Amino acid sequence: DVKVTQSSRYLVKRTGEKVFLECVQDMDHENMFWYRQDPGLGLRLIYFSYDVKMKEKGDIPEGYSVSREKKERFSLILESASTNQTSMYLCASSFGRGNSPLHFGNGTRLTVT
Amino acid sequence: GQSLEQPSEVTAVEGAIVQINCTYQTSGFYGLSWYQQHDGGAPTFLSYNALDGLEETGRFSSFLSRSDSYGYLLLQELQMKDSASYFCAVRRPTDSWGKFQFGAGTQVVVTP
Repeated sequence: DVKVTQSSRYLVKRTGEKVFLECVQDMDHENMFWYRQDPGLGLRLIYFSYDVKMKEKGDIPEGYSVSREKKERFSLILESASTNQTSMYLCASSFGRGNSPLHFGNGTRLTVT
Repeated sequence: GQSLEQPSEVTAVEGAIVQINCTYQTSGFYGLSWYQQHDGGAPTFLSYNALDGLEETGRFSSFLSRSDSYGYLLLQELQMKDSASYFCAVRRPTDSWGKFQFGAGTQVVVTP
């Protein structure tokens, strides 16, 4: 079974802090994704990566950056956290191109005060 | 706004059948996927329809009509453990290959 592990289940940060959300997958998947989940809005794509050091913006990249230095690890960075970034963050991975299913982690619930 | 539309909530009793519709506002997309998410859990993949028609996997079936930009997930013989949120997702030809669009999700509540 694919395992996608997010380093923290809950995080509380202050406005203006730099925040790192870490994600690791163990199935040698090429693709990794960061989604944000908010009630009534479903899952919205922030960034995805299709190879080491490669990244592409999703639908809501503003205020976020990402890093993929190793194939198994994909980090989401909030350069200066704001209260409107309080949300559930979901990492996912998938194999190859096309419509391979996404495998999700359990999520990190981030609260910015 | 949402490109994919699904009902926000459906309530049904154990043993019943529930159909969750998913409509897409513009024409053309590569297939339709469905994901299930229990409260506090990770979304998990349920099914994918690449072609028009019905796909059956146990108690769950999924249907797609690409010409109508419409699909549905059918949950049969409902069980309490089916209480969860269900999301449809598509990938549009106009988008980069990695950009899956998700609906807002349908909360299914199963009552005894």
